[in-house]
Amino acid sequence: KAGVTQTPRYLIKTRGQQVTLSCSPISGHRSVSWYQQTPGQGLQFLFEYFSETQRNKGNFPGRFSGRQFSNSRSEMNVSTLELGDSALYLCASTRDQPATDTQYFGPGTRLTVL
Amino acid sequence: KQEVTQIPAALSVPEGENLVLNCSFTDSAIYNLQWFRQDPGKGLTSLLLIQSSQREQTSGRLNASLDKSSGRSTLYIAASQPGDSATYLCANGANNLFFGTGTRLTVIP
Repeated sequence: KAGVTQTPRYLIKTRGQQVTLSCSPISGHRSVSWYQQTPGQGLQFLFEYFSETQRNKGNFPGRFSGRQFSNSRSEMNVSTLELGDSALYLCASTRDQPATDTQYFGPGTRLTVL
Repeated sequence: KQEVTQIPAALSVPEGENLVLNCSFTDSAIYNLQWFRQDPGKGLTSLLLIQSSQREQTSGRLNASLDKSSGRSTLYIAASQPGDSATYLCANGANNLFFGTGTRLTVIP
């Protein structure tokens, strides 16, 4: 079956702009989690959506937001981009619970903020 | 906040060697423990998931163990191959995963 897909794969933006990233989970998976990966901080949890509701949220500013649609596809949005937002953004899907079910990761979106 | 530490940060071994990667947690309430590998510039691939009630899991040449009393997990790779070269991450958490910083493994042919 098809894996987790993320679009776009690469993105270049300038400070102050906003960006929307998309994630399509594996068919039948209802939970989608988003992570930010940087060389300095490693992998950090952003938020998790389940059945169109944000179920868990990490410690990121309100500029980072997300949503999930009825088909489980998810988007995350970052407003007023800062240089420090440059990172690899990964999404992962699971059937139900991220901590108890195997997580399947997408290839990521590489965001560069100039 | 859960903190996850992985030692060593980098490891280089000759092909065929057996090796052990270590992972430890600050939060004694260990939930399910997952090991992943990440190839450069790519997403993560799940390797093993150890349920909190289990002590170990095996998949092929990989064996992961969990010692809840000490807050540690180890990933054992037998007969390493160049294709095993990647960054290995462990993760733990209740509702979401906290990741370690990873061990970058290089297997030299």
